[in-house]
Amino acid sequence: TQLLEQSPQFLSIQEGENLTVYCNSSSVFSSLQWYRQEPGEGPVLLVTVVTGGEVKKLKRLTFQFGDARKDSSLHITAAQPGDTGLYLCAGLLSNTNAGKSTFGDGTTLTVKP
Amino acid sequence: ETGVTQTPRHLVMGMTNKKSLKCEQHLGHNAMYWYKQSAKKPLELMFVYNFKEQTENNSVPSRFSPECPNSSHLFLHLHTLQPEDSALYLCASSLGQGIRNEKLFFGSGTQLSVL
Repeated sequence: TQLLEQSPQFLSIQEGENLTVYCNSSSVFSSLQWYRQEPGEGPVLLVTVVTGGEVKKLKRLTFQFGDARKDSSLHITAAQPGDTGLYLCAGLLSNTNAGKSTFGDGTTLTVKP
Repeated sequence: ETGVTQTPRHLVMGMTNKKSLKCEQHLGHNAMYWYKQSAKKPLELMFVYNFKEQTENNSVPSRFSPECPNSSHLFLHLHTLQPEDSALYLCASSLGQGIRNEKLFFGSGTQLSVL
């Protein structure tokens, strides 16, 4: 059973469109992180959310942590081709090393010019 | 550049070969990790090292043998691998202090193909 489920698995949109990807679980997380991974590279951390209901913004990206700390969403406004990549969410079940996070299976985003 | 360097970037090996993957971090971190990333599967944590000591082995087959000579270097020794071991192997590091907003830094990975 997948602890963290991401949806959609694949998303292909035109430049300028908005999109939201989701990360859902039945477990409560101490913190949740979002990463972006480009082809041929490792994941790069975008944001960490730790408080239920927390909203963080990174330029055109808006991250939200669910009130119950079981789910999260990533919203991208006016997507650009440079946003193309694999988006991964990762949750920590307790206060422990960041490397022990449980990863979702990712959302592959393609933004066409 | 994340401060975590992996070599080689690509590796093709036969099932009878012995090879090693190398990871080096220049971030002063105390924890280092090996992950396996296969197509259509979540990242799988393989090994965890804290202050050079292995603290976790997630039921990884013995054909994968990690080595951590110091806090900055991590190796993954490979021998008699199977075709299903073909994947992207990622190294990562973190401070290792166990705080919930601790950041994880990944290398670019080694794309391994076992023939």
